Amino acid sequence: NAGVMQNPRHLVRRRGQEARLRCSPMKGHSHVYWYRQLPEEGLKFMVYLQKENIIDESGMPKERFSAEFPKEGPSILRIQQVVRGDSAAYFCASSPRQATIMNTEAFFGQGTRLTVV
Amino acid sequence: AQKVTQAQTEISVVEKEDVTLDCVYETRDTTYYLFWYKQPPSGELVFLIRRNSFDEQNEISGRYSWNFQKSTSSFNFTITASQVVDSAVYFCALSENFGNEKLTFGTGTRLTIIP
Repeated sequence: NAGVMQNPRHLVRRRGQEARLRCSPMKGHSHVYWYRQLPEEGLKFMVYLQKENIIDESGMPKERFSAEFPKEGPSILRIQQVVRGDSAAYFCASSPRQATIMNTEAFFGQGTRLTVV
Repeated sequence: AQKVTQAQTEISVVEKEDVTLDCVYETRDTTYYLFWYKQPPSGELVFLIRRNSFDEQNEISGRYSWNFQKSTSSFNFTITASQVVDSAVYFCALSENFGNEKLTFGTGTRLTIIP
């Protein structure tokens, strides 16, 4: 049973380009969470999605950032017109049914390290 | 609002020494969950433990142990007989809302084990 898969592991973008980060949750998991880790800082929650629904996007910047988790395929975190300050590690976590949260830990992917040059 | 404080930014100890990483949390809820994660130099997040607010029993797993004290809102992590492979950044995290695994992380403690 593969873990949470994130790709790419490393992504370099020039200022103004778009960045697309992908997250495939563990098999059977229908909940996905995105976190951002700025250099030398802890992880900060960005968005929580279920299939085809955004449940909580309280941590998402108001502009340029969007996330989706379609019925088929991976979850996508999209950053438009990237700026240097977007350089960070972006982690995805998945968990199974909502009701089982208390019996599971959030399984994290290995992260995507975005560098904006 | 929930908050997790890891006051120790960096700790260095000599190999085989014991070391305790502190974690203090704030939450309004009576039901919550506490976590520790390890982030080695390779960058991934490794789950270490989850503890719910109703279970104050201390836990030991090999050289790792955790001390949960609700009275002081602390969830400290001790590594005994430290090894070089323990060198990493350690994060304490809190999940407050039932059914939402949104985690609030501390800023982490960078642990360096000196051979």
